[in-house]
Amino acid sequence: AQSVTQLDSQVPVFEEAPVELRCNYSSSVSVYLFWYVQYPNQGLQLLLKYLSGSTLVKGINGFEAEFNKSQTSFHLRKPSVHISDTAEYFCAVTLGGTGNQFYFGTGTSLTVIP
Amino acid sequence: SQTIHQWPATLVQPVGSPLSLECTVEGTSNPNLYWYRQAAGRGLQLLFYSVGIGQISSEVPQNLSASRPQDRQFILSSKKLLLSDSGFYLCAWTRGGGDYGYTFGSGTRLTVV
Repeated sequence: AQSVTQLDSQVPVFEEAPVELRCNYSSSVSVYLFWYVQYPNQGLQLLLKYLSGSTLVKGINGFEAEFNKSQTSFHLRKPSVHISDTAEYFCAVTLGGTGNQFYFGTGTSLTVIP
Repeated sequence: SQTIHQWPATLVQPVGSPLSLECTVEGTSNPNLYWYRQAAGRGLQLLFYSVGIGQISSEVPQNLSASRPQDRQFILSSKKLLLSDSGFYLCAWTRGGGDYGYTFGSGTRLTVV
């Protein structure tokens, strides 16, 4: 079975500073990986996804993530954060090509400090 | 384009009352449908998922139930709400294969009093 670990439950960062949100997954087979963002009292919105090919994927709002198979990681990065990036971020994994069920991490709360 | 609708947005219900939350998807056929619950400050808990009409898989045994009476309709129900049922309920859909990712509804904030 697949599982996802988000090591940091809360990440405070100053405005315009870089940020990295960590995600590690556990799976013995090929997977698809996703990052979602959730603003207060809203549903989750897809930021980016890795299916195959280039290990560096770019998403919306200036975010990018790098798939590292040897380290089973899919860390999310942004070179310069804005106040509007304050939100909850979730990493998710599903079986590549056959996945009907997604497994989510427990989330990382990103707070951007002015 | 595909859209997902979830209602109501907020709901306050007394303990012991029934519950019905509805989710519909437009612009696609035979979607995989999911109900998640998010307790305050917690992650996402998968409650039910469905890969077809009348096919419901339950992940967490509790006093909630789900039904899929039509291809693009997914309903979450309870006969008697408990205080512990309070939370943020999210409906989501995806197509089989996993490559599409989830598309989530806007959520229902349920408060049981």
